[in-house]
Amino acid sequence: GAVVSQHPSWVICKSGTSVKIECRSLDFQATTMFWYRQFPKQSLMLMATSNEGSKATYEQGVEKDKFLINHASLTLSTLTVTSAHPEDSSFYICSASGRDFYEQYFGPGTRLTVT
Amino acid sequence: GESVGLHLPTLSVQEGDNSIINCAYSNSASDYFIWYKQESGKGPQFIIDIRSNMDKRQGQRVTVLLNKTVKHLSLQIAATQPGDSAVYFCAENGDTGNQFYFGTGTSLTVIP
Repeated sequence: GAVVSQHPSWVICKSGTSVKIECRSLDFQATTMFWYRQFPKQSLMLMATSNEGSKATYEQGVEKDKFLINHASLTLSTLTVTSAHPEDSSFYICSASGRDFYEQYFGPGTRLTVT
Repeated sequence: GESVGLHLPTLSVQEGDNSIINCAYSNSASDYFIWYKQESGKGPQFIIDIRSNMDKRQGQRVTVLLNKTVKHLSLQIAATQPGDSAVYFCAENGDTGNQFYFGTGTSLTVIP
């Protein structure tokens, strides 16, 4: 149980376009979902926290207008990278938590390359 | 907070030896800590957790030690196997409860 999927697993887009990444909890209801970004050989950086039906809370330094997060249902959160630039190329990982306040289940990640 | 740095610390061990991976956390208000394993190109995988009211917790082949005085965590892996080769991260929950902040990470290589 507690499986989280992400789609797509990898994506290449041109500079200036927008890309949407989906995060789904497959077998549980996720009251809270988290989005992380990870550059090569670096740690995971928490970008934002989203609760179903409410606006996401962004970490300091993360542009909310650039990284749009929608958590419309208890099983789906989306991250849209708007007007992507090469420096947005990264590994984006989501996690979801259900009834257990502390427990997070991670998705497999999405590799974004902006050319 | 954000972890910075271009190079992950590395640790190489012989197969069958014990591994110890260390982590310094930053927020004295953190009361919950998790160790994760991340293989290349994949999401983090939960290994073991510990709450701040404990100083040691054991799992299968793994032990986590917590020293709140110096804000230090360690992960001990017994009889390390090639499949243990990965990057290991500690994460703390800071002031927020269920938002987790990851440490720098350590790349473990097991030599057969």
